[in-house]
Amino acid sequence: DAGITQSPRHKVTETGTPVTLRCHQTENHRYMYWYRQDPGHGLRLIHYSYGVKDTDKGEVSDGYSVSRSKTEDFLLTLESATSSQTSVYFCAISRTGVTDTQYFGPGTRLTVL
Amino acid sequence: QKEVEQDPGPLSVPEGAIVSLNCTYSNSAFQYFMWYRQYSRKGPELLMYTYSSGNKEDGRFTAQVDKSSKYISLFIRDSQPSDSATYLCAMTSLRDNYGQNFVFGPGTRLSVLP
Repeated sequence: DAGITQSPRHKVTETGTPVTLRCHQTENHRYMYWYRQDPGHGLRLIHYSYGVKDTDKGEVSDGYSVSRSKTEDFLLTLESATSSQTSVYFCAISRTGVTDTQYFGPGTRLTVL
Repeated sequence: QKEVEQDPGPLSVPEGAIVSLNCTYSNSAFQYFMWYRQYSRKGPELLMYTYSSGNKEDGRFTAQVDKSSKYISLFIRDSQPSDSATYLCAMTSLRDNYGQNFVFGPGTRLSVLP
C-alpha cells in the first residue's frame, strides 16, 4: 500500500462521540486525501491537504475536520459521529497532485451505532 | 446524469476469457484516466494510468481511451481467478491542480471462475 498506514483499521462507536482517524505515510508525498467509500457512490473526497497546515474541503466535508501538522500525518476527525458517517474511509497520497496518480491506504471500517 | 458511469456488475467469466470493463463520462475536460483494482476489504491499487487518448499495455492489461466518445476501457487477457476484484475507473483534468477533483466510478465487480 505504497507506504501508507491507517489506524485504527476497524472502529465501532456510538452516535455523538468524537472519532479521530489517522493516516501515516513514509513516502514524503506532499498531497494527502481522505475519501469515504459507500456502496453505489464510489470514492468521494472529504478533505485534502496540499502541504503541512494547508488543507481544504472536498465534496462531502460536512461533519468532518482535518489537521496536518507534519508531512507524514493527516488526521480526520468526526466531531460528533452520526450513523450516516458509517463507511469505509481511505487515505490517499500523491507526489505531485494532478500529474501523478493517487495511492491508497488499506482503509478504516467505521461503524456508528 | 452522473459524471462517470460504470456498470456495477457482477461480471462472471471463465478462467482464460478476455474481459472488457468500461466507463463512460460526461466532462470533456478529463485528460488523465486511471484504472484501479480493489480486492475485498482492501484499498484500491493502481493498475493503469493514461494521459489523453490511445492505448496503453502492461502485461495482460490494456487500457484504451476514446475521448471523442467519452469512453474508456480496460481489457484483461487470459483472465485468472486472482483477477477477481472490483475495478474502479478514475479521471481528472489539468485544472485539478492539487488532485482534489479526481472522479471515481462506482466500480465493476468481476469474478473469474476456475
